Amino acid sequence: EAEVAQSPRYKITEKSQAVAFWCDPISGHATLYWYRQILGQGPELLVQFQDESVVDDSQLPKDRFSAERLKGVDSTLKIQPAELGDSAMYLCASSLNRGETQYFGPGTRLLVL
Amino acid sequence: DQQVKQNSPSLSVQEGRISILNCDYTNSMFDYFLWYKKYPAEGPTFLISISSIKDKNEDGRFTVFLNKSAKHLSLHIVPSQPGDSAVYFCATGSYNTDKLIFGTGTRLQVFP
Repeated sequence: EAEVAQSPRYKITEKSQAVAFWCDPISGHATLYWYRQILGQGPELLVQFQDESVVDDSQLPKDRFSAERLKGVDSTLKIQPAELGDSAMYLCASSLNRGETQYFGPGTRLLVL
Repeated sequence: DQQVKQNSPSLSVQEGRISILNCDYTNSMFDYFLWYKKYPAEGPTFLISISSIKDKNEDGRFTVFLNKSAKHLSLHIVPSQPGDSAVYFCATGSYNTDKLIFGTGTRLQVFP
């Protein structure tokens, strides 16, 4: 069964350092999403791609966060510099197309010290 | 301003009995509703969905009910099994944005 891949699974970093997360969506899925889930809350959308184009990044803190999906396949989410409040689970999801069911990867758990 | 609320943070049910998880929403313009299940250290797994034009959708042991007048969604699991123990998130979406809005989750524990 096809799955969304994410790496690393866990990341510990010090504040002010840069971190990067990688996501490989299910093959053929045109839409890719990055969510952040803070402990005790539900996932919140950070950015949505349709192929290589950003559809929605209204909730992405653009002063420190960036995301790209250069070839419309895999994607990278970067935080620079990391802050204590960025500690969370970062989830990637993909769907065949917009409005279709979203399938999630296992997530990257980030701890900023 | 929380648009999707799951007021019960946890639920404990005996194996074989019915589990009922509840979700309330504020925006009547949502087009569809979903339930996701999440095990520790894993991403959410899609469980079942329902369109806003329907009031019930069933898939095996899982049934989702939608009460639009009350802006209320519920997931029924019957019979409950120990493997159902997980955190359940309800989510809502709109066709014009694709953006899913999640509730805070309910931790279900099914005991023997």
